[in-house]
Amino acid sequence: AQSVTQPDARVTVSEGASLQLRCKYSYSATPYLFWYVQYPRQGLQLLLKYYSGDPVVQGVNSFEAEFSKSNSSFHLQKASVHWSDSAVYFCALSPNAYKVIFGKGTHLHVLP
Amino acid sequence: GGIITQTPKFLIGQEGQKLTLKCQQNFNHDTMYWYRQDSGKGLRLIYYSITENDLQKGDLSEGYDASREKKSSFSLTVTSAQKNEMAVFLCASSSTGVGAETLYFGSGTRLTVL
Repeated sequence: AQSVTQPDARVTVSEGASLQLRCKYSYSATPYLFWYVQYPRQGLQLLLKYYSGDPVVQGVNSFEAEFSKSNSSFHLQKASVHWSDSAVYFCALSPNAYKVIFGKGTHLHVLP
Repeated sequence: GGIITQTPKFLIGQEGQKLTLKCQQNFNHDTMYWYRQDSGKGLRLIYYSITENDLQKGDLSEGYDASREKKSSFSLTVTSAQKNEMAVFLCASSSTGVGAETLYFGSGTRLTVL
């Protein structure tokens, strides 16, 4: 079965701290993988995406994600978070055309 | 750049009522989507459309109808609103439906059913 699991519903960190948001996927091959961010009362916006090549993908606003085939993971990272990074982050995979499977999201709260 | 405009932003309905949500995009994208977002459940696909006048059911299509009369617009109808229902409906578009394509989202319509 195809699925995306974000094990942490909520994460709280202090401003300036490093961040890792976890994402595990289930899919028989290498899918297209995405991280989207949703700020309050807005739609989702793409942070970064991966399909092949370098397993470390750079995204907007200094976010990066690392793909691991052996662990079926695509964790999102940031070296130093800012209070404005507070938002909901969604990991997603696209196994084929027109289908995107989203995780349930992780609420990130950055303490100023 | 482009934008996706969803109307209305807030929708309050009565149980059993038929409610229509509208979405307009100026990206000139071929593919458009309707997702439902419930707290703690992620996004679930209701309908998508590959081109004008095309409609494809998603995982959550029961209780909904959709319409794509123009390339730039995609409407969703809740055929019979359920009491105490609360959800956010997100419209999205992409250039094609190919897996690597980025989805561009509107800011949502927030539905409350009394």
